[in-house]
Amino acid sequence: QVQLMQSGPEVKEPGASVKVSCKTSGYTFTDFYIHWLRQSPRQGLEWMGRNNPTTGATNYAQKFLGRVTMTRDTSISTAFMELSSLRSDDTAVYFCARDSSDFSHGGKNFFDPWGQGTLVIVSA
Amino acid sequence: DTVLTQSPGTLSLSPGETATLSCRASQRIRSNFLAWYQQTPGQSPRLLIYGASIRATGIPDRFSGGGSVTDFSLSITRLEPEDSAVYYCQQYGDTPPTFGQGTKLEIK
Repeated sequence: QVQLMQSGPEVKEPGASVKVSCKTSGYTFTDFYIHWLRQSPRQGLEWMGRNNPTTGATNYAQKFLGRVTMTRDTSISTAFMELSSLRSDDTAVYFCARDSSDFSHGGKNFFDPWGQGTLVIVSA
Repeated sequence: DTVLTQSPGTLSLSPGETATLSCRASQRIRSNFLAWYQQTPGQSPRLLIYGASIRATGIPDRFSGGGSVTDFSLSITRLEPEDSAVYYCQQYGDTPPTFGQGTKLEIK
């Protein structure tokens, strides 16, 4: 079955960077976009952007431009999201999620399935 | 960005009853590109409905979606205790995709 397994929780100081990984299995990694989202009580669910594992091309939400980098390693079917210049309001659970449709049907920008989530706490 | 407003904030119902959740968009959603997710405590969201009314794989027919343009709904019939969760709508008709703030469903 399709699975997305994320790296463990992180605690970072303000101004630092965090890199979250998302190891996939059960499907062809290069056939679907990988999206990154986050969830916090204050901001709710937010889409951060997506990565095309075939080409490496990315699309980022305006809010995160200049601070987020999404990459992938096709040899290990793993996607990565790095967020820099962390602030306290970046404290959230970060999710990776697979696009619902493969590239032959066009990316649809809804998400199935999701990883289990990675808690990132930003605190001095 | 398209703003989605869900109502009610919280819904308390008994087993066997029917829940109706609402999602209103700030602008027309292209091609009814609206999805619904269920999130139980400590879990990641699970896709229930896409295309406003199409059930995702493995979702029972107690769950149904409807609506169009800017007004959408999710109905859950014959409520069971395991339906207790927060339900989110999400539009994917334009970029960025956006979510509603959620409706918490309590089964008492």
